[in-house]
Amino acid sequence: EPEVTQTPSHQVTQMGQEVILRCVPISNHLYFYWYRQILGQKVEFLVSFYNNEISEKSEIFDDQFSVERPDGSNFTLKIRSTKLEDSAMYFCASRDTLDRVDYEQYFGPGTRLTVT
Amino acid sequence: GEDVEQSLFLSVREGDSSVINCTYTDSSSTYLYWYKQEPGAGLQLLTYIFSNMDMKQDQRLTVLLNKKDKHLSLRIADTQTGDSAIYFCAESGDTDKLIFGTGTRLQVFP
Repeated sequence: EPEVTQTPSHQVTQMGQEVILRCVPISNHLYFYWYRQILGQKVEFLVSFYNNEISEKSEIFDDQFSVERPDGSNFTLKIRSTKLEDSAMYFCASRDTLDRVDYEQYFGPGTRLTVT
Repeated sequence: GEDVEQSLFLSVREGDSSVINCTYTDSSSTYLYWYKQEPGAGLQLLTYIFSNMDMKQDQRLTVLLNKKDKHLSLRIADTQTGDSAIYFCAESGDTDKLIFGTGTRLQVFP
């Protein structure tokens, strides 16, 4: 069964460094998402992406964050200058279509980001 | 703003029914979902319900929606040890972004 994959599973970085989290969505999917979950808190929406542009973003997704689909298969989340409070589990998701008949967002296993 | 709340923990004996509850605030919610997360895995969609429905049954799973009280529940019949996981309630409204609760950790003991 096709699945969303994410790499790495765990990333440790120092405050102020740039990180890139990688996701490979399911191959025929057109809509892509990033969510994050700070330990002990809710899963929060960050951004949605379609047709090579951001469809919607939350107030968490500030200028330090960017997303890209560089090569037609990967979908990346970049954090330009990490802060301690960026430590979280980051989930990528993808979806085939916005048609409500096929509404399911398929999630990857997550990347745990630890900022020290 | 939109908010979804769940209790954090539920413990049940194998074979009993589990009921996980969720409340939400967004009146424009159109879809409500239950996701399951097992250790080391992503979020897996279990079931969903449209906001114009009040009940949906899918094998051992029953979803009840009280739209007036903005209350959603997931009942798992004949709970098994393999059902032990974290269960997330989520809703979506006019856009397709999902608003999640904190998740309920279900522990099933023999």
